[in-house]
Amino acid sequence: AQKITQTQPGMFVQEKEAVTLDCTYDTSDQSYGLFWYKQPSSGEMIFLIYQGSYDEQNATEGRYSLNFQKARKSANLVISASQLGDSAMYFCAILSPPLSGSARQLTFGSGTQLTVLP
Amino acid sequence: DSGVTQTPKHLITATGQRVTLRCSPRSGDLSVYWYQQSLDQGLQFLIQYYNGEERAKGNILERFSAQQFPDLHSELNLSSLELGDSALYFCASSVDHYGYTFGSGTRLTVV
Repeated sequence: AQKITQTQPGMFVQEKEAVTLDCTYDTSDQSYGLFWYKQPSSGEMIFLIYQGSYDEQNATEGRYSLNFQKARKSANLVISASQLGDSAMYFCAILSPPLSGSARQLTFGSGTQLTVLP
Repeated sequence: DSGVTQTPKHLITATGQRVTLRCSPRSGDLSVYWYQQSLDQGLQFLIQYYNGEERAKGNILERFSAQQFPDLHSELNLSSLELGDSALYFCASSVDHYGYTFGSGTRLTVV
């Protein structure tokens, strides 16, 4: 079984500053994928970034980067130059194993509510 | 627009009633997943269908059922509704290992 832990229920950041959202995971699989999703107040789930367990480089997507530390089983999301529109709930999730064509459910953490202050 | 379409967006119904939530996956995606998001339980996986067949089951109540049709759209049926079933129900679809694409959700309120 997989487990995701997000220990920060809420975070505040000043506009234009960087912020790190923590995520640790637990899995016994060697091959897995890690994801971050953003859920604004409107409710939709927006995919942000993906990191495969065998990827040697940290994933980056625009202002989003994933600080992947495999030995520590952590996959923190870094948002650079925060914007007011970044205020939302952020979920970390794990998919294991990622290449299976069969059952491939995502396991989510409890989320971090990020508020960007002007 | 994510390409995954969920209808209706909002639904208000009374306890004991039955409702059907509909999901159309992205073009080409064979897998459909249903998730429930409630305040106390967070995001919970309910069920997965792959090309018309049930592939995985999560924390889905016996009062709930789903199916995927030949055109790959899926329906989630919720019956004998209780107040605690009020939640945001997401459908997602996928084709590869880069995770899911989520629909915008159906917000169900049971009164």
